[in-house]
Order: sequence, then structure tokens, then C-alpha cells
Amino acid sequence: GAVVSQHPSRVICKSGTSVKIECRSLDFQATTMFWYRQFPKQSLMLMATSNEGSKATYEQGVEKDKFLINHASLTLSTLTVTSAHPEDSSFYICSASEQGALRETQYFGPGTRLLVL
Amino acid sequence: SQQGEEDPQALSIQEGENATMNCSYKTSINNLQWYRQNSGRGLVHLILIRSNEREKHSGRLRVTLDTSKKSSSLLITASRAADTASYFCATDARFQKLVFGTGTRLLVSP
Repeated sequence: GAVVSQHPSRVICKSGTSVKIECRSLDFQATTMFWYRQFPKQSLMLMATSNEGSKATYEQGVEKDKFLINHASLTLSTLTVTSAHPEDSSFYICSASEQGALRETQYFGPGTRLLVL
Repeated sequence: SQQGEEDPQALSIQEGENATMNCSYKTSINNLQWYRQNSGRGLVHLILIRSNEREKHSGRLRVTLDTSKKSSSLLITASRAADTASYFCATDARFQKLVFGTGTRLLVSP
């Protein structure tokens, strides 16, 4: 149980285009989902926290107009990288915590590797 | 930065040996968690230890927590080649926001 999927797993796009990444909790309802980015050989940095039905909370330094987050249902959150540039190339990982449980554990998706040319 | 520090940054051992990784953090926490990440993949949750706990075991894993020193250690006993991965500690200080450490890259050679 507690499986989180991400789609796509890998995407290459041209500079200036927008890319949407989906994060789904497959067998549980996730009140809260989190979006992280990870540069090569570095740690994960939290970008934003999204709660179902409300606006996302962004970490300091993360542009909310560039990284649009939508958490429209208890099983789906999306991250859209708008007008992507090469410096946005990174590994994006989502996680989800289960509704109603202690919610201490976050379940992570397999990640999406974005390459902007 | 609130990011935790881990040491060593890299660790290379032989199968059967024990591997110890250390994590230091900066703020008061609710719990501390350890994750494993295989190259280019997502994270796998290994173990969670709460701030009022001092030691926890799970299979070949042993985690300790010293809140007075703001540090934790992860011990993997009788390591296997399949344990090769990066290991991250993450602290949960509030509202489930995880702050990850810098990570330890473990290489276990057959």
C-alpha cells in the first residue's frame, strides 16, 4: 500500500515551453502533497506544500508564478513549470501523506527528470 | 540554511561489514526519518524515530537519536551490495515539512 506515482518519469522540452508533472496517490487519499527538487548529487529541497482544495504554500525563494501547483483532488496534485529555462532542469519529486493517519510518514513518488534545452 | 549535515559524504565498504552514517540538524524536531535513494530514483522510507525515542530497530537497521546533541545515526549491519544507495536523514520540525540532510553515498562492494 501507500504508493505514489508520477508522470512523466522523464521529459525533455524546449526553452520557453511549459511542462506539467502529475503526482498521484494510488491507494490512499492524500490531504497534503509536497513538491521537491533535487539537483545532481545534492539533497532534496522542498518547493511547496499543497493541500487539497486550497492554494499551495511556497517555500522562500520559489516563484509561485513559475511553478504552478494544483491539488484538485485527494489523489492528484500537478506541478506546472511555466516558461521553462535550462536552469529549471532538475529532478522533481512529489510526496504525499495519508489523510486521517498520524501523517508522520510521507510516501515519495519515483520522480520526474526534466531537461530543458 | 536549515539543512542538516550528514557525514561521511561517501562511504565505501565490503559486503558483510557494518555501515554507520551520522546526521546533525539545527532545530527542535518532532521526529527524524531516514530515507534511501537509489541512483536517479525516488525515495524509500526506512525508519522514523520520534523526539522522545532514543533508539529504534528495523531488521538490519538501527537508528539512534540524541536530541541534546541534535544528532542521529543510522547503522546498517551485515551490509549487502543491494544496500548501495544514497541515504538521507530528514527532520520534521513542524507541519510535516521535511528538511533533508546532505546525504551519504554508500557503496557496498561484493
